[in-house]
Amino acid sequence: GEDVEQSLFLSVREGDSSVINCTYTDSSSTYLYWYKQEPGAGLQLLTYIFSNMDMKQDQRLTVLLNKKDKHLSLRIADTQTGDSAIYFCADESEYGNKLVFGAGTILRVKS
Amino acid sequence: DTEVTQTPKHLVMGMTNKKSLKCEQHMGHRAMYWYKQKAKKPPELMFVYSYEKLSINESVPSRFSPECPNSSLLNLHLHALQPEDSALYLCASSQGGHYNSPLHFGNGTRLTVT
Repeated sequence: GEDVEQSLFLSVREGDSSVINCTYTDSSSTYLYWYKQEPGAGLQLLTYIFSNMDMKQDQRLTVLLNKKDKHLSLRIADTQTGDSAIYFCADESEYGNKLVFGAGTILRVKS
Repeated sequence: DTEVTQTPKHLVMGMTNKKSLKCEQHMGHRAMYWYKQKAKKPPELMFVYSYEKLSINESVPSRFSPECPNSSLLNLHLHALQPEDSALYLCASSQGGHYNSPLHFGNGTRLTVT
């Protein structure tokens, strides 16, 4: 079956860049997503990338996709304490409506 | 603020109780979802409704019963739950019917079964 893997924990200093990595196995992925979850809240859609793109930039967020290696990354520039959260990458399965989530990366930002 | 509204925010119920979780969206989305999330784990898909019809049931026990009265509303009826069913229950919606239809999540109902 499809699998999505992420590093579990990342700690950075305020103002530094954060890079969260994700790998996936589904070769037929069409869209890949990044969600953010703050304590006690639901999942907030941050950004997504179509599988025929290499990069997408949205303000402080940069998504890089290496389709050959099935590797996805999320870079957060000028990381702030408010960016502390769990970040999930998700792969849209061939069934369209079904997302496969990674285990989530806990980002801790130290001031 | 999320555009998917879930009520209640918190629910404590005994194993013999019957309760319902409610979800509402007014984005014109035609697909709605229930996910279950345990602490420090990713969400797990339970059910998908597409155009008000149940399209995916991920082998969820019958003590969870979904209902989609109309395209804006989604309920999850709970009966005879077990303590291990305690979790955050997330509702989501999407445009549905095609790829690149990002899911929009509510803030969830935190359920505790005693």
